[in-house]
Amino acid sequence: DAKTTQPNSMESNEEEPVHLPCNHSTISGTDYIHWYRQLPSQGPEYVIHGLTSNVNNRMASLAIAEDRKSSTLILHRATLRDAAVYYCILGTSYGKLTFGQGTILTVHP
Amino acid sequence: KAGVTQTPRYLIKTRGQQVTLSCSPISGHRSVSWYQQTPGQGLQFLFEYFSETQRNKGNFPGRFSGRQFSNSRSEMNVSTLELGDSALYLCASTKRDRAGDMNTEAFFGQGTRLTVV
Repeated sequence: DAKTTQPNSMESNEEEPVHLPCNHSTISGTDYIHWYRQLPSQGPEYVIHGLTSNVNNRMASLAIAEDRKSSTLILHRATLRDAAVYYCILGTSYGKLTFGQGTILTVHP
Repeated sequence: KAGVTQTPRYLIKTRGQQVTLSCSPISGHRSVSWYQQTPGQGLQFLFEYFSETQRNKGNFPGRFSGRQFSNSRSEMNVSTLELGDSALYLCASTKRDRAGDMNTEAFFGQGTRLTVV
């Protein structure tokens, strides 16, 4: 399976933008890039996904490199509620999301 | 609308027993996937069902099995439980119009916390 590489942890201050990077150098042309986040004692929550073009939704923006070998999740104004583990995932085949270790995001007041 | 419902939320079983976990997907969703989450291995894919057929399976032993009913509800079964099966088991439902479509978002339940003693 194609793999993703993320920093183990990142920190941010409240109301500042956060850029969470992800490398996926072995991505294939049909793999979708998904981002999910997980708060303690909860199931993962969908954040955003895309294939080639940058994507925006009410939660975040996804910037995808032109060669698709990396992507960045952008939280425009971090809040304390955004503190979570963020997973960058490649949607590669039937229903399978291959999770990596994720990035632990800490948001300081 | 109602989210993904997993039952039970917590379960304690003894080694050697078997267990059945249940997942009710969001109404209208035909795809259900199962994941195991442990501190050491993280989130690992178990299998996916779409319209009552298993479409994909992760790298788990045959003790792990599942099924999906005509109303899209799914169950997973673990037989001959081992201590290492202690984990959070998560179910995700997806509104796929066709099998294999990954251009969708998955909705996860709260999970079932299984403890094997």
